[in-house]
Amino acid sequence: AQTVTQSQPEMSVQEAETVTLSCTYDTSESNYYLFWYKQPPSRQMILVIRQEAYKQQNATENRFSVNFQKAAKSFSLKISDSQLGDTAMYFCAFMKLFGNEKLTFGTGTRLTIIP
Amino acid sequence: ETGVTQSPTHLIKTRGQQVTLRCSSQSGHNTVSWYQQALGQGPQFIFQYYREEENGRGNFPPRFSGLQFPNYSSELNVNALELDDSALYLCASKPTTSGGYSTDTQYFGPGTRLTVL
Repeated sequence: AQTVTQSQPEMSVQEAETVTLSCTYDTSESNYYLFWYKQPPSRQMILVIRQEAYKQQNATENRFSVNFQKAAKSFSLKISDSQLGDTAMYFCAFMKLFGNEKLTFGTGTRLTIIP
Repeated sequence: ETGVTQSPTHLIKTRGQQVTLRCSSQSGHNTVSWYQQALGQGPQFIFQYYREEENGRGNFPPRFSGLQFPNYSSELNVNALELDDSALYLCASKPTTSGGYSTDTQYFGPGTRLTVL
């Protein structure tokens, strides 16, 4: 079974600053995906960024980037030039590549961007 | 917008009742999953359907059941409601490529907030 741990229940940062959210996971699988999802107060879970485990290059999507350390089973999310609209719950999630394609989520980090 | 809708938005039931939650996905989204998100927690996988058949199940009792229909809609049914069933219920769907492979990214609906009194 896989587990995903997010050790920062809450974080806050000034607008325009950079913030990093931490995520670690435990698995015996070799092939998997990792995701960061954002859940604003509207409750809609929105995909922020994804990373294939077989890729060494860290994924980047505009202001969002990840630091994927496969050996350490670490998958952190960096948000640059943070904006008020980034205020939300952020969930790290794991999905193995084959078989039951369920997402295993962490408990989330509540991020608040301060004007 | 993810193209995934859910109804109703909110629902209040009493213990012991039965409830049906609905999800509508985009055309071509042959895989649908349901998740339960308790307050302050991450979503927990309930089950997944692929082309109208159950394709995997999490640690939920049989009173949680589902259906998927050819028109890309699906249902989550919960019988004999318990107080701990109070949660946000999310559905998520995935498209299948022309080669028949399911892609890796799931698109979530806005959820149904169920309160059991």
